[in-house]
Amino acid sequence: NAGVTQTPKFQVLKTGQSMTLQCAQDMNHNSMYWYRQDPGMGLRLIYYSASEGTTDKGEVPNGYNVSRLNKREFSLRLESAAPSQTSVYFCASSERALANYGYTFGSGTRLTVV
Amino acid sequence: RKEVEQDPGPFNVPEGATVAFNCTYSNSASQSFFWYRQDCRKEPKLLMSVYSSGNEDGRFTAQLNRASQYISLLIRDSKLSDSATYLCVVNTLLMDSNYQLIWGAGTKLIIKP
Repeated sequence: NAGVTQTPKFQVLKTGQSMTLQCAQDMNHNSMYWYRQDPGMGLRLIYYSASEGTTDKGEVPNGYNVSRLNKREFSLRLESAAPSQTSVYFCASSERALANYGYTFGSGTRLTVV
Repeated sequence: RKEVEQDPGPFNVPEGATVAFNCTYSNSASQSFFWYRQDCRKEPKLLMSVYSSGNEDGRFTAQLNRASQYISLLIRDSKLSDSATYLCVVNTLLMDSNYQLIWGAGTKLIIKP
């Protein structure tokens, strides 16, 4: 009954370092998403994958890359971390892309860039 | 103006009271609406969809007013466990036939014993 699993839960990076956030879902959902959540703001979409083999930019894609490794896994990479990328990152999945379905979220990654 | 606006609160409400909060949206082409609940330092979880005719799920009632472009959430007989941040989400069909989900920043609710 795992749902959406994200790793790591916490991370501190120095400016310029790179890292990959991992996400896996076991609900056979077609679509997966990466969001960031900052204080006083709504969740903002970074990238999404409507189906296996496709990825598209969301609202705030700059500084990030993604890989839809297979139907289950969708990773987010920060190539050269910047303090502006300090945030809470959530992975989510749904049956279909951006449609009228509820999303299931992972528990989040708290990233601090110093 | 933000596309989806919510009063950030916090709303401090005694246990057992009824509380309501609204969410306004700017795009009249918005098609579907949701309320999510987010506990402190946790992930958002779907609370309920909002249907055109309004809908109820136990103590929770959601309503949509398309003319005035807002949705509302009413919680009756509030419990301590209702303390959370409530996120409004609006799904809009764009010109290119893609949907765009817009999230409000949330309304914080604190239920006091």
